[in-house]
Amino acid sequence: NAGVTQTPKFQVLKTGQSMTLQCAQDMNHNSMYWYRQDPGMGLRLIYYSASEGTTDKGEVPNGYNVSRLNKREFSLRLESAAPSQTSVYFCASSPTNRGLNEKLFFGSGTQLSVL
Amino acid sequence: AQTVTQSQPEMSVQEAETVTLSCTYDTSESDYYLFWYKQPPSRQMILVIRQEAYKQQNATENRFSVNFQKAAKSFSLKISDSQLGDAAMYFCAYSSNSGTYKYIFGTGTRLKVLA
Repeated sequence: NAGVTQTPKFQVLKTGQSMTLQCAQDMNHNSMYWYRQDPGMGLRLIYYSASEGTTDKGEVPNGYNVSRLNKREFSLRLESAAPSQTSVYFCASSPTNRGLNEKLFFGSGTQLSVL
Repeated sequence: AQTVTQSQPEMSVQEAETVTLSCTYDTSESDYYLFWYKQPPSRQMILVIRQEAYKQQNATENRFSVNFQKAAKSFSLKISDSQLGDAAMYFCAYSSNSGTYKYIFGTGTRLKVLA
C-alpha cells in the first residue's frame, strides 16, 4: 500500500518563486493536513481539510494556500517563497472515524530550501 | 486553543535502562486522543502509542507505556529496557474528538541512548 505520497522530496527555490507541494492518499481518509517542521519548534499545522470540500487555517497559514482537489489529494502552494519558509513539510491524513485506527498517517516529507 | 508542551528538549538514557519523557497539554475538552510519535533520523513519523481520554487505563505497547493523568493534563511516555534503536525525536500530540480533528504537536524531545 502506498499510504500517503508527497512530492517532491527535495526542492530548492529562489526568493519570490512559486511552487506547489503535492499530496495524495489512497486510504479513503476524510481528513488531510499540512505541517512544517523546524528545529526546536516541532510540527506546526499550516492548513487542514476535515473533509472533501473544506479547508481551514492552522497555526501558521500565512504565505500558503491549499486546495483539496478531491478526497485523495491535498496540495500546498507557496505563491512567493521566502527564506522563512525553508523547512521540512509533511503531509498527513487521518480516517477521523474515531475508531481503533484513528491516528495520523504521514508522508515522507519534503525538504524545501528557499535561497 | 489547545496546546501541547514538552519541556525536555533532550534526554539521555543508558542502554537497558528506563527513561520517562514528559508531556503536558491544555484543553477545555473532555473527549480527545493523545499520541506519542517517534521520528528517527530517516525523518519517518512512527506512531508509538495512543491513549483515548475516556479510558482510565494507561496504554501499553511492549516496552512503551504511558502515565495518563487527565486531571493534571499530563501524558508521559516511559520506555523500558531502552535500546539503541529507540534513539530518535519523540513528539507528543493531541487530537480533539469534537469535530475539528486537528492534531496539535509539542516541540519534541530528542532521546539519546548510550551504549
